[in-house]
Amino acid sequence: SQQGEEDPQALSIQEGENATMNCSYKTSINNLQWYRQNSGRGLVHLILIRSNEREKHSGRLRVTLDTSKKSSSLLITASRAADTASYFCATAPTGANSKLTFGKGITLSVRP
Amino acid sequence: DTEVTQTPKHLVMGMTNKKSLKCEQHMGHRAMYWYKQKAKKPPELMFVYSYEKLSINESVPSRFSPECPNSSLLNLHLHALQPEDSALYLCASSQAEGSLGKLFFGSGTQLSVL
Repeated sequence: SQQGEEDPQALSIQEGENATMNCSYKTSINNLQWYRQNSGRGLVHLILIRSNEREKHSGRLRVTLDTSKKSSSLLITASRAADTASYFCATAPTGANSKLTFGKGITLSVRP
Repeated sequence: DTEVTQTPKHLVMGMTNKKSLKCEQHMGHRAMYWYKQKAKKPPELMFVYSYEKLSINESVPSRFSPECPNSSLLNLHLHALQPEDSALYLCASSQAEGSLGKLFFGSGTQLSVL
């Protein structure tokens, strides 16, 4: 079963608005990663946040991590039509031989 | 070069065919992965190679046969597939095995089994 669960499952916003996506997970993690996927293409790594970090920024992206609540959020500020894609959180559980596990994904549509 | 290159981009095959998917990276990564992704679903891990050795097989049917000829190449040999195997097959690489680092993905092979 997937470790991460994103919500909402789908999000539609107007260009220029901010988009917030959430991810919850169940077990202890080493890190949590966010990926973007354009339709029919490969996934692109966006940002990685370690378990001892609370917030991280990369350009228009801001990721937070709350290990006590086992949750993370991805904020995309000043969204653009080109941000339209599916977004996945992926969790890296603690322990040897752990595997990156992807959530179900969020479909973001940014209307021009 | 931060690319993972997959060929072909599209593949249509019959259930009796044998075909191969190819993946190449020149980032010096020592771990390479095959994922399967159905439409509107997350990627599912199939195989992991670490230092050219198979380290994880997620109970994948034997009609899928991976091969790692060298540290830059990864193949997935397909034989006697079923229509339900139609999916996007993604190759990925990382600096080392384990989930501590980011994955670099190829653009995928869209496979249709007739």
